Amino acid sequence: AQSVTQPDARVTVSEGASLQLRCKYSYSGTPYLFWYVQYPRQGLQLLLKYYSGDPVVQGVNGFEAEFSKSNSSFHLRKASVHWSDSAVYFCALNSNAKLTFGKGTKLSVKS
Amino acid sequence: NSKVIQTPRYLVKGQGQKAKMRCIPEKGHPVVFWYQQNKNNEFKFLINFQNQEVLQQIDMTEKRFSAECPSNSPCSLEIQSSEAGDSALYLCASSLPTGRQDTQYFGPGTRLLVL
Repeated sequence: AQSVTQPDARVTVSEGASLQLRCKYSYSGTPYLFWYVQYPRQGLQLLLKYYSGDPVVQGVNGFEAEFSKSNSSFHLRKASVHWSDSAVYFCALNSNAKLTFGKGTKLSVKS
Repeated sequence: NSKVIQTPRYLVKGQGQKAKMRCIPEKGHPVVFWYQQNKNNEFKFLINFQNQEVLQQIDMTEKRFSAECPSNSPCSLEIQSSEAGDSALYLCASSLPTGRQDTQYFGPGTRLLVL
């Protein structure tokens, strides 16, 4: 069975600092991976996605993620965070057309 | 930004009452999904449609949940007899039909509170 693990429930960083949010997946097939962000009282917004090819994918607002098949990981990164990046970030795996989500990482950016 | 529309944004029901929520998918997206997100950020896939046909659904053994996507009308998800454990954010998403790689675009959700 497929699964997605986000080992860090909460992450706090200072504004301007770099960021990495971790995601590990378990899936026997070819993984199609996504990162979504959820702001308070809103739905999920797509940040980026990985299907194949270059393991580093670029997303919106300066986010990028790196896929590693050997580590079964899809970590999200940003070089310099802004206070407006404070939100909950979800990693997701598409298996059989359904998304399997991690439990999210709540990011707090200190100004 | 997603153009999936969900109504109402908030829904408050008493136990045993019906709860109905609606979703208009993004234009040109024939596939619609419903997910439940609980307060612990656990997501549960409920059902998906392509046009009016059910593609996949969980085994809703209690049969309290029903959903449809009629032609030329919003999709809907209805809970026949709400229970406290149904309190959650119900998310509708839509996508193109070409496969697992297609992105699912989410609406803002309907937050259901069952008192």
